[in-house]
Amino acid sequence: EPEVTQTPSHQVTQMGQEVILRCVPISNHLYFYWYRQILGQKVEFLVSFYNNEISEKSEIFDDQFSVERPDGSNFTLKIRSTKLEDSAMYFCASRGDRVEQYFGPGTRLTVT
Amino acid sequence: AQSVAQPEDQVNVAEGNPLTVKCTYSVSGNPYLFWYVQYPNRGLQFLLKYITGDNLVKGSYGFEAEFNKSQTSFHLKKPSALVSDSALYFCAVRDNRGSTLGRLYFGRGTQLTVWP
Repeated sequence: EPEVTQTPSHQVTQMGQEVILRCVPISNHLYFYWYRQILGQKVEFLVSFYNNEISEKSEIFDDQFSVERPDGSNFTLKIRSTKLEDSAMYFCASRGDRVEQYFGPGTRLTVT
Repeated sequence: AQSVAQPEDQVNVAEGNPLTVKCTYSVSGNPYLFWYVQYPNRGLQFLLKYITGDNLVKGSYGFEAEFNKSQTSFHLKKPSALVSDSALYFCAVRDNRGSTLGRLYFGRGTQLTVWP
C-alpha cells in the first residue's frame, strides 16, 4: 500500500537556522498539505498546495515559511529562521481524487 | 469559528467490550467528517469518513461512526474492542465553505487503551 514518507524523522536545530523538511507524497496524488502539532496541542493546518502554487495558508504560515515541489516527487517545507516556538511535529499529507488525506509519519523538529 | 472537540483525553475498555470515542464539532454548512488513528511512531492513518447519506459509516478494522446532525456529533464505535486497537484517535472536520482544498480541523485526540 502506498504511503507518504517524511525525512528526517527528527531534526534538531539552533534558533535562527534554516531547516527544510522533506516529504514524498503518494505518487498519483495532486493535492499536498503541511500540518503541525505542538506538544500537547491540536494538529493545526499550515498550508495546502496544488498545481505548483499555494492554495490556502493559515495565520501560522507567515513569511518565515515556504513550500516547494522541486521535482515530481518531493514536497518540502522550509522555515527560514527558526524560533523556539517552531518546535513541533510536522506532518505532510497528500490527497488524490477522494476527500481523505493521507499523512506521513511526521518530522519532529526541536529548536534549541 | 470551526472547531472539533473530543471531550475525553483517555478511554479505557476491556477487550471484547464495545468502545465509543466521542467527537463533536462546530462547523457551518455541511462538513465532511473523518476519524484518524495514530500508532506510536506512525503517521495519522485514515479510518473512515462521512460525506453524505447513511448516518452510520463503516471503516477499517471493524470501526464505525455515527453522524448525528442535530447533536453535531460523530462518535467512533466498535462492537468488540481488541488490545491492538490501543492507540491515539483523532476526529477531524473539513470545512467545505471557502476552503478550496479542504483544510482539516482536528480534535485534541483521545488515547484509547484496551486491556486484556
